[in-house]
Amino acid sequence: AQRVTQPEKLLSVFKGAPVELKCNYSYSGSPELFWYVQYSRQRLQLLLRHISRESIKGFTADLNKGETSFHLKKPFAQEEDSAMYYCALSGRTSGSRLTFGEGTQLTVNP
Amino acid sequence: DAGITQSPRHKVTETGTPVTLRCHQTENHRYMYWYRQDPGHGLRLIHYSYGVKDTDKGEVSDGYSVSRSKTEDFLLTLESATSSQTSVYFCAISEQEDQPQHFGDGTRLSIL
Repeated sequence: AQRVTQPEKLLSVFKGAPVELKCNYSYSGSPELFWYVQYSRQRLQLLLRHISRESIKGFTADLNKGETSFHLKKPFAQEEDSAMYYCALSGRTSGSRLTFGEGTQLTVNP
Repeated sequence: DAGITQSPRHKVTETGTPVTLRCHQTENHRYMYWYRQDPGHGLRLIHYSYGVKDTDKGEVSDGYSVSRSKTEDFLLTLESATSSQTSVYFCAISEQEDQPQHFGDGTRLSIL
């Protein structure tokens, strides 16, 4: 079974401070990890995926297989980063569906 | 944004009535999905489709049925709506099952 855990439901930081949204997963095979973002009452958007190893809107995430984590980081948070963030996992085997964590609501205060 | 349209965007109905939500895509993607989003649960998969007339259950399929008669349309039906089905419903699409999914704007459904 595959599972994604986001331990923080709410996270609040000040503008300009570093931010880290935690994501841990359990999966017996080789996972593919994603971060999705949902701004207030909008559709979910793919923020980044681990195989791309790219930085989007200043966010990065590194897959740590030893710790089974895929934490999302940004060195200097902006007010427009306030949103709900979902970590998601997909297995590479056929029939493996995308599994979402419960989400972390990030608030960046001025 | 991927060409995904959900209708209606908002609906209020009464317990026991049938409800059908529609997802329409213009991307010709093979896979389509229905999720519900609830506080404290994140997104949970209801049903998905891997082709015309090919569907399968997700983790919270009880009380829901789906149909896909055309590549571009995926319908979600609540045969007899209950208050526990009050939620925000999202449709998503993907080219392949292991590719990123792209989401619609959601349907806010309230069952009184």
